[in-house]
Amino acid sequence: EIVLTQSPGTLSLSPGERATLSCRASESVSSTSLSWYQQKPGQAPRLLIYGASSRATGIPDRFSGSGSGADFTLTISRLEPEDFAVYYCQQYGSSPLTFGQGTKVEFK
Amino acid sequence: EVQLLESGGGLVQPGGSLRLSCAASGFTFSSYAMSWVRQAPGKGLEWVSAVSVRGGTTDYAESVKGRFTISRDNSRSTLFLQMNSLRAVDTAVYYCAKDHRAYQPTGGDAFDIWGQGTMVTVSS
Repeated sequence: EIVLTQSPGTLSLSPGERATLSCRASESVSSTSLSWYQQKPGQAPRLLIYGASSRATGIPDRFSGSGSGADFTLTISRLEPEDFAVYYCQQYGSSPLTFGQGTKVEFK
Repeated sequence: EVQLLESGGGLVQPGGSLRLSCAASGFTFSSYAMSWVRQAPGKGLEWVSAVSVRGGTTDYAESVKGRFTISRDNSRSTLFLQMNSLRAVDTAVYYCAKDHRAYQPTGGDAFDIWGQGTMVTVSS
C-alpha cells in the first residue's frame, strides 16, 4: 500500500498569502496518478487537481499542482477567504487507492 | 446537472447489516467506474471499494474485504454497497464517487463528482 504523508498538518495564513502544501508518497506514484481535493466542514470533497498538475473543471487558476515520482505539491498563489479548508492528496496509480491525512489551511 | 444521491444510512448494532444506495443522474452512468469512500467523524478520507463500468470487476480495501460487497445496476443508474458484519470502526459518512474519466480501469482514476454522503453509525 502506498502511504501518503501530507505536511504541514496545519497551515496558518492570511488572505492574499501563498500556500504551499506537500504530499510525499512511500513509493513512486505511477503515471502521475495523483489528485488533490478540497473539503469544507459538512461538505463532500471537491476535486481540484488530477494527473498531478491538471486543474479540474471550474477550478480557479490560483490553484496549481506539481511534482512527480513520490513528491507532489499543491500551491494556492493568493488565498481567498473561501480557500480556508482541509486539503487531501490521493493516489490512484495502484490498489488500494489511498489518501493523505490532510492539511488544514486556517486563518492566521 | 450531474448528481449523486446516497441513501440507506442509519444506526445499526455491531454485527448487523446495511445496504447503501447511490442514485446517479445527469451523466451516462454506465460509462464510468464508481467507488465508495468513507470518512469517520473528525477523520480523513478512506477509500472503501470500486466497481468497473459493467460491474464485473470489483476491488476492496483490506479493512472491508469479505464483509462489504459493491455492485451496480446500470439500468437504474444506481450504485450499491452491501455492508455485513458491521463493526464500530465502520462508523462514518459514506460517499459515492464518480470516476473523472470514462472507461478507466477499476479504481484507476480521480473522483470528480461526489454525493452528499450518508451517515452509518454502528453502536449498541
